[in-house]
Amino acid sequence: QQQVKQSPQSLIVQKGGISIINCAYENTAFDYFPWYQQFPGKGPALLIAIRPDVSEKKEGRFTISFNKSAKQFSLHIMDSQPGDSATYFCAATPTGRRALTFGSGTRLQVQP
Amino acid sequence: DGGITQSPKYLFRKEGQNVTLSCEQNLNHDAMYWYRQDPGQGLRLIYYSQIVNDFQKGDIAEGYSVSREKKESFPLTVTSAQKNPTAFYLCASSITGSGNTIYFGEGSWLTVV
Repeated sequence: QQQVKQSPQSLIVQKGGISIINCAYENTAFDYFPWYQQFPGKGPALLIAIRPDVSEKKEGRFTISFNKSAKQFSLHIMDSQPGDSATYFCAATPTGRRALTFGSGTRLQVQP
Repeated sequence: DGGITQSPKYLFRKEGQNVTLSCEQNLNHDAMYWYRQDPGQGLRLIYYSQIVNDFQKGDIAEGYSVSREKKESFPLTVTSAQKNPTAFYLCASSITGSGNTIYFGEGSWLTVV
């Protein structure tokens, strides 16, 4: 059962452009929404995270937008750089369970 | 250096054999996790443990077993009952409590030959 749906599966963006990745969830008990970045052959690393009591969180070039009523959240990468080329995963944690449920991932390629 | 160490990085298994993947952390985290990664399917939770001598099944626990005898260690055994074990396995840990950052190891590649 896929509880977090992520799109698109792959994304190509020109250097300097905006990369946008979307996620939707079904379980209203989710209360923590992180984004992870993974380079080939490596483990994922936390990029940025948000809780449902705020609608937006920004850290440098990375912004999470959160829409609680629509049960959607998205990652925006401003001024995308070739070094941002990686696979990005959204995730969520339901109340009462500590482990993350992940989306299927988005492979981002930023062309120079 | 503090972190999560997984070994081996690459492992080949013959059909019918059990194999054990090691995971050690020196972050003093109470919670530890095992995820499986297949192309296009994201990360799926196999088992997790919030405290020593206790663990819970995740979404795809069939064919796997774990133990948590020490806070620092959470080994995963891939048994012969796992029908499609070829995958990238990721161990992770966190401070117990919802919303705390989960840190991942570098992963182990398991291939059935």
